[in-house]
Order: sequence, then structure tokens, then C-alpha cells
Amino acid sequence: EDQVTQSPEALRLQEGESSSLNCSYTVSGLRGLFWYRQDPGKGPEFLFTLYSAGEEKEKERLKATLTKKESFLHITAPKPEDSATYLCAVQGLESGYSTLTFGKGTMLLVSP
Amino acid sequence: DAGITQSPRHKVTETGTPVTLRCHQTENHRYMYWYRQDPGHGLRLIHYSYGVKDTDKGEVSDGYSVSRSKTEDFLLTLESATSSQTSVYFCAISEGGTDTQYFGPGTRLTVL
Repeated sequence: EDQVTQSPEALRLQEGESSSLNCSYTVSGLRGLFWYRQDPGKGPEFLFTLYSAGEEKEKERLKATLTKKESFLHITAPKPEDSATYLCAVQGLESGYSTLTFGKGTMLLVSP
Repeated sequence: DAGITQSPRHKVTETGTPVTLRCHQTENHRYMYWYRQDPGHGLRLIHYSYGVKDTDKGEVSDGYSVSRSKTEDFLLTLESATSSQTSVYFCAISEGGTDTQYFGPGTRLTVL
């Protein structure tokens, strides 16, 4: 059974204070790891897909990295508009076609 | 934004009544999904469809049924709503089974 654990559950940062969110996963074989951003009252918004250890992707102040056991979402010099819940999900080779297993998310609050 | 709409956006109903939620897409994607999101849980897959009239169960399918008679529409039916089905329901779409899933805005359902 695929499992995803995100930490911390909540994180408060000052504007400009860089930090990282963690996503630890257990899968029989990784097909893909996905990061989403979710604002209150809205649906998850796709950020990144990572497929293999060592892969990195960037978008504005966000950078996602992947190892064989975990992924990090690095936030550089965050702004208040980066406040959201960040969700991590994995798709395993043996968990069933089309099945994504989600973590519970990290709620990020960036104060001005 | 991916062309996904969900209706209704909010619904309050009583235990034992049938409820149908609709997901409509304008992207002509083959795959469509229904998830529920509850506090303390990650997003959990209810059912998905890989083509017109082709559907399969997800992790939490008990008490739910789905139908897809057109590429653009995916319906989720709660045959006899229970309080445990109070949740936020999200529809998602993807081109292929292993491709990135894009989410709709959600439907908040309250079962009294």
C-alpha cells in the first residue's frame, strides 16, 4: 500500500524567510510524484511532477526535488501570496492505474 | 484553469435522500475522477472513468455510484446520503491514466 506523509502539518514564516516542506513516501515503485497548491475553498492547483530521484523543477519561488524516499518543496523568499496548503501525491507502479495517494498537506502561512 | 465545472457548488440535504453531483469538462480528456476531502485525511479517490461508460472503483467507493454517458460529463450519485458522506467533493481530469490530474473547484455537501 502506498503511503505519503507530509511535514510539518503547519508552518508559519515571515515574508522573505526561506524554508522547505517535506513529503516522505512509500511505494512499491514510483510512477510519479506530484505537488499541488490548494487555497481555501478551492480545488488543488497543479505545481510539479517529478519522476525519478535527482530530478528538480522550479517555478518562481518554488523548487521541488526528489530522492528515493522523499521530496522537498523549497520556498525561497516567500511572499504572503504563497500562503496556501501544499499537497503531495504519489502514483505507484502497483497501486492501480490512475490511482494517486495524497498526503494530508502542509498549511503554509506567510506573514508580511 | 483547466475547463472543469462542478455543480452544485454547495448542497445541504437530509439523511436518506439521493444526491447527484455533476462534473463537466471542456478539455475532451479521457479520464475523469471523483475525490472526497475530509479534515485529517488526504484526498481519497471514490471512482474514476477511463472512457464513456467505462468506470472503476477507488479507495472509498461504498455508498457511491457513477455514470459517464458523454465524454464531458461525469456524475457522482449518493444513492441514500448519510452523515458520513458530508464532505467536499472534487472532480479531476487527465488525458491519460498516468498523466497529471487537474482539479475542479469542488462541491461542499452537508448531509443532516
